[in-house]
Amino acid sequence: EVQLVESGGGLVQPGGSLRLSCEASGFTFSSHAMSWVRQAPGKGLEWVSSISGSGFNTYYADSVKGRFTISRDNSKNTLYVQINSLRAEDTAVFYCARTPIACTSPSCYSDYWGQGTLVTVSS
Amino acid sequence: QSVLTQPPSASGTPGQRVTISCSGSSSNIGGNPVNWYQHLPGTAPKLLIYTNNQRPSGVPDRFSGSKSGTSASLAISGLQSEDEADYYCAAWDDGLKGHVFGTGTKVTVL
Repeated sequence: EVQLVESGGGLVQPGGSLRLSCEASGFTFSSHAMSWVRQAPGKGLEWVSSISGSGFNTYYADSVKGRFTISRDNSKNTLYVQINSLRAEDTAVFYCARTPIACTSPSCYSDYWGQGTLVTVSS
Repeated sequence: QSVLTQPPSASGTPGQRVTISCSGSSSNIGGNPVNWYQHLPGTAPKLLIYTNNQRPSGVPDRFSGSKSGTSASLAISGLQSEDEADYYCAAWDDGLKGHVFGTGTKVTVL
């Protein structure tokens, strides 16, 4: 069974940093591209970043470029996102999501999602 | 902000058919496949339709998707109470070089 479990969320002051993790199980992690998607309170889903299975290729939304860094450790079956210079507008539930194995393009959809971890940016 | 436009809400009685529209442009829907997700707040979003009209294993055939030009639609036939959720369309945007989601539609079963 595919499982994606996010962790690392919490209350952070503006300007602070946080690293979110997503532990994957039930599939060959290194064979799948992965993504982060967030949802601010009362808002819709927003794509944040994606990374290829090898980790060599990364993609970012313009709204987070330069502040967010996506990475993965295939030996630990874990996806990460480092978030720096946090702003109030970064307050959101962050979801990790898996891309199907047959999809190598960054434009592919996500077939499994985690339950999310909440990041709250406030003083 | 979202570049794909959906109606904020849709509703129907059990057994009825509900259709949700998703309007985009040539840089997203017009040139790339559309996918649909079902989301109950606080839970993991679920893939409902991929590549315009394909249903993943386990998704009831009551759900169907279509695309024409720069617009797409999700239809739910035989509406059931468990279909109450938020629905999002999504596509890759060639100009933004990233995924874009629709504004979301809340479906209510009356």
